[in-house]
Amino acid sequence: GENVEQHPSTLSVQEGDSAVIKCTYSDSASNYFPWYKQELGKRPQLIIDIRSNVGEKKDQRIAVTLNKTAKHFSLHITETQPEDSAVYFCAASRAGGYALNFGKGTSLLVTP
Amino acid sequence: SAVISQKPSRDICQRGTSLTIQCQVDSQVTMMFWYRQQPGQSLTLIATANQGSEATYESGFVIDKFPISRPNLTFSTLTVSNMSPEDSSIYLCSVGGQGDEKLFFGSGTQLSVL
Repeated sequence: GENVEQHPSTLSVQEGDSAVIKCTYSDSASNYFPWYKQELGKRPQLIIDIRSNVGEKKDQRIAVTLNKTAKHFSLHITETQPEDSAVYFCAASRAGGYALNFGKGTSLLVTP
Repeated sequence: SAVISQKPSRDICQRGTSLTIQCQVDSQVTMMFWYRQQPGQSLTLIATANQGSEATYESGFVIDKFPISRPNLTFSTLTVSNMSPEDSSIYLCSVGGQGDEKLFFGSGTQLSVL
């Protein structure tokens, strides 16, 4: 089955700096890669996703890049703000309604 | 995205008892999944809830422990049976639409077993 590795497990940045979280996956058939943000005590929220026919996708301060050959994808947050502090999970799945396999999460702390 | 209602939001249960968690969606969805999130951990897939047929369980999860129902395209239940303290976790349902991989999560059920 799919195995998703995520690094780092914790990340501390100063407000305004950039944050990068990296994931690798093992199943070459995976072609859908979402990122979720989970604040303390709340449900995971989908923040951005990318499909394998695209190498990069951007939404305001958030971007995701995908290298399908190397089987890795990354989340980039620019101009970080304290409200970006949360746990971020990457995930991977095949298309067509397969369940998501999640990485272990990255706890991001943005200090003022 | 669909509105997903999950209840109860939390419960404290005694060892050996069972708890049924409900997941209601405001529109028909093709895919429904149940996940477990142990304290400080990632999300682990328990099973896929199949409408009109038996659920598909992941390795390490069995029907006798986690029976699942999916009577229609808007509703599913997960039962945690014969609970032990190791079952203390957050249980989340997630839903996705036909042809769309996006999955959205219910608000979760925080279960504590004493």
